[in-house]
Amino acid sequence: DAGVTQSPTHLIKTRGQQVTLRCSPKSGHDTVSWYQQALGQGPQFIFQYYEEEERQRGNFPDRFSGHQFPNYSSELNVNALLLGDSALYLCASEGLGAAGSYNEQFFGPGTRLTVL
Amino acid sequence: GDSVTQMEGPVTLSEEAFLTINCTYTATGYPSLFWYVQYPGEGLQLLLKATKADDKGSNKGFEATYRKETTSFHLEKGSVQVSDSAVYFCALSKGGGSNYKLTFGKGTLLTVNP
Repeated sequence: DAGVTQSPTHLIKTRGQQVTLRCSPKSGHDTVSWYQQALGQGPQFIFQYYEEEERQRGNFPDRFSGHQFPNYSSELNVNALLLGDSALYLCASEGLGAAGSYNEQFFGPGTRLTVL
Repeated sequence: GDSVTQMEGPVTLSEEAFLTINCTYTATGYPSLFWYVQYPGEGLQLLLKATKADDKGSNKGFEATYRKETTSFHLEKGSVQVSDSAVYFCALSKGGGSNYKLTFGKGTLLTVNP
């Protein structure tokens, strides 16, 4: 089991550009959440996808959008990049456990985005 | 809104020392509480969790008890090792099923010297 995978590992963009980050969930997981982790801070919830729809959203502007595909993989898109968007972007997946309940999010290694 | 406050770091200890990292939370209702660990260059890993008051989560020698009366979930380990050097995050979640999000503290960097 490969666990949660994310691509690319690192990315450098300039202000105003657009970026797409990708996430493949752990096998058997159907829910994907995205978090932004600024340097020296804890992760902040961006949004969550389930059954190809955005189910919850944190306090992030509409420049942040996402998508979930039928195979449960997900993309995070950020438009009109700002310097403040520089951060580690983490993807987390979850699914029904052996007890028939959702009870743990598994995190990927993240994508380090630098905006110049 | 919901929030988590962790003790300021960094924390530097010698091997075999006792570790405490304080965590308090603010939330309505009955959140679940978590400790995650982030090793250099890696994603977050769940260390332990507790889902109701007075529950004790434990893993790899680490322990934390859900104290509703003090809204706390302090992380402890009796004897730390160099391999425990990492950033530790306290977090809470609310909501049922898979419909929940994690709210994290700012993290505490632990360095253990041999």
